[in-house]
Amino acid sequence: NAGVMQNPRHLVRRRGQEARLRCSPMKGHSHVYWYRQLPEEGLKFMVYLQKENIIDESGMPKERFSAEFPKEGPSILRIQQVVRGDSAAYFCASSPEQEAFFGQGTRLTVV
Amino acid sequence: AQSVTQLGSHVSVSEGALVLLRCNYSSSVPPYLFWYVQYPNQGLQLLLKYTTGATLVKGINGFEAEFKKSETSFHLTKPSAHMSDAAEYFCAVSEDTGRRALTFGSGTRLQVQP
Repeated sequence: NAGVMQNPRHLVRRRGQEARLRCSPMKGHSHVYWYRQLPEEGLKFMVYLQKENIIDESGMPKERFSAEFPKEGPSILRIQQVVRGDSAAYFCASSPEQEAFFGQGTRLTVV
Repeated sequence: AQSVTQLGSHVSVSEGALVLLRCNYSSSVPPYLFWYVQYPNQGLQLLLKYTTGATLVKGINGFEAEFKKSETSFHLTKPSAHMSDAAEYFCAVSEDTGRRALTFGSGTRLQVQP
């Protein structure tokens, strides 16, 4: 059983471009969470999704950020018109119940 | 609202010494508590968790933590540090209210001196 798979591991974007981060949950897990980790900080919750539904997006910035978890395929975190402040590590986690299993993250660098 | 406070952003111990990483939480309902470890440029790995039942929880790599409701604490300990324990440690809390997202502390970086 493969773990939570995130790709790409590293992503470099110029200011104003779009960033797409992908997350494939563990087999059998229907809950997906996205977290952001700024340098030297802990992880901050962004959004919680189940298949085809956003359950809680209270941690998502109001503009430029969106997330989806379609019926088929990975969950996508999309950041439009990236700015330098978006540079961070973005982690996806999946869970069957209370315990969350984390991917290795996507490190986004905006230049 | 829930929150987590980790006292000490950096802790340094000698190899073979006791490891104690502190975590205090606040939660309006009975919490679920977790400790995760993060190695450089890696994701988070679950060390141990408390949901219900026994308040002393044993995890991987010789770590354990004790849930103390009266002190709202969930400190992480290991009797004897090993060089391979050097990493960042995060305490986290969640509530079984349907939201289930984790709230993390800011982390404690553990250094192990030879």
